[in-house]
Amino acid sequence: GAGVSQTPSNKVTEKGKYVELRCDPISGHTALYWYRQSLGQGPEFLIYFQGTGAADDSGLPNDRFFAVRPEGSVSTLKIQRTERGDSAVYLCASSLDSGANVLTFGAGSRLTVL
Amino acid sequence: AQSVTQPDIHITVSEGASLELRCNYSYGATPYLFWYVQSPGQGLQLLLKYFSGDTLVQGIKGFEAEFKRSQSSFNLRKPSVHWSDAAEYFCAVGAQDYGQNFVFGPGTRLSVLP
Repeated sequence: GAGVSQTPSNKVTEKGKYVELRCDPISGHTALYWYRQSLGQGPEFLIYFQGTGAADDSGLPNDRFFAVRPEGSVSTLKIQRTERGDSAVYLCASSLDSGANVLTFGAGSRLTVL
Repeated sequence: AQSVTQPDIHITVSEGASLELRCNYSYGATPYLFWYVQSPGQGLQLLLKYFSGDTLVQGIKGFEAEFKRSQSSFNLRKPSVHWSDAAEYFCAVGAQDYGQNFVFGPGTRLSVLP
């Protein structure tokens, strides 16, 4: 597509529920990134894919968070047993490949855990 | 690991006045440097980038930034601010193999007085 598409744009869930956030990157971009942005802060790195594999998942806060990119294009960020502290905007970005390239960001998915 | 500081949390300028937003980074080698802008409810938009070469880089919307290795800085400037420039500005640093090595600063919120 022309840009990075993220769905849903807004998600409200209850504590303890399971959530999936989807990212559709720019066509041909092999690198895909997930960031989390809490209110009043800069984006924090979660995980980065090069193709289908997670090249760096060091930013995932705990084992409730998981992400996949099975065909090297669309990615899904999965959050189990959501907690109120998970409330944030989850940003996805893609780039042609890793390093020395520009990250193009989607508009984000705002997650609210009640 | 890289780190980025943006000393000013919030800056207010009058329309037509000049602007400088500060960014300092910590990294052992020459980093890749970026400025992104985020308007309310919008995704991050790239203003400009520095990879190598001329240390004064021009971006979109009349912005420019200068890389000063001796000061570990990459300050953003604009000679005359427009009301539409009101937004959150993020400096970011990338190194080889982005992933956790692509780090954002905490952001500076710009308000513009008429």
